[in-house]
Amino acid sequence: DGGITQSPKYLFRKEGQNVTLSCEQNLNHDAMYWYRQDPGQGLRLIYYSQIVNDFQKGDIAEGYSVSREKKESFPLTVTSAQKNPTAFYLCASRRASEWGYTFGSGTRLTVV
Amino acid sequence: QKEVEQDPGPLSVPEGAIVSLNCTYSNSAFQYFMWYRQYSRKGPELLMYTYSSGNKEDGRFTAQVDKSSKYISLFIRDSQPSDSATYLCAMSEDDYKLSFGAGTTVTVRA
Repeated sequence: DGGITQSPKYLFRKEGQNVTLSCEQNLNHDAMYWYRQDPGQGLRLIYYSQIVNDFQKGDIAEGYSVSREKKESFPLTVTSAQKNPTAFYLCASRRASEWGYTFGSGTRLTVV
Repeated sequence: QKEVEQDPGPLSVPEGAIVSLNCTYSNSAFQYFMWYRQYSRKGPELLMYTYSSGNKEDGRFTAQVDKSSKYISLFIRDSQPSDSATYLCAMSEDDYKLSFGAGTTVTVRA
């Protein structure tokens, strides 16, 4: 079955650590996105990529980094510069000719 | 002011009732409008989409867009307990980068 796989489902990070969230899709979608979801705030765009080796900052990119070396993969690194990283992170992808996004099941990151 | 405003609820209705959900927006360039459903601890799934103003019906779901008022709605008829979820409105200028509402949590009581 085609879809988006995010891993891990739960992730715990110590203060000052960098962590990387994985996102893999086998839908042959061109565009991929990272959103952050906090209670009462909806989804906020962190980074997006339209093609391999190219990506753009979203509304809340500070403290995050991404790479897009393969069409199928769009990992997100939460760096120690992100002051409030505890949140639910959602990866999505989209084919240019289709409506809307397909989302993964999310990664819940908690700072301990 | 947020670009997309959505009442977070929560909204609780008895089974069989009509659920009415709304969003308002400030960007007059938005022309693609969508509704997503999100179950607890899951990613959102696309429920309905419309382009520009008008109505669209799909089974028990009806989406309405009024661009003159910058207002969109989703109606769920004959609601079921399985409809209990958070509903997110989303919109875009170019169907590429979506702006989301905060989501409305709906509970349908059996």
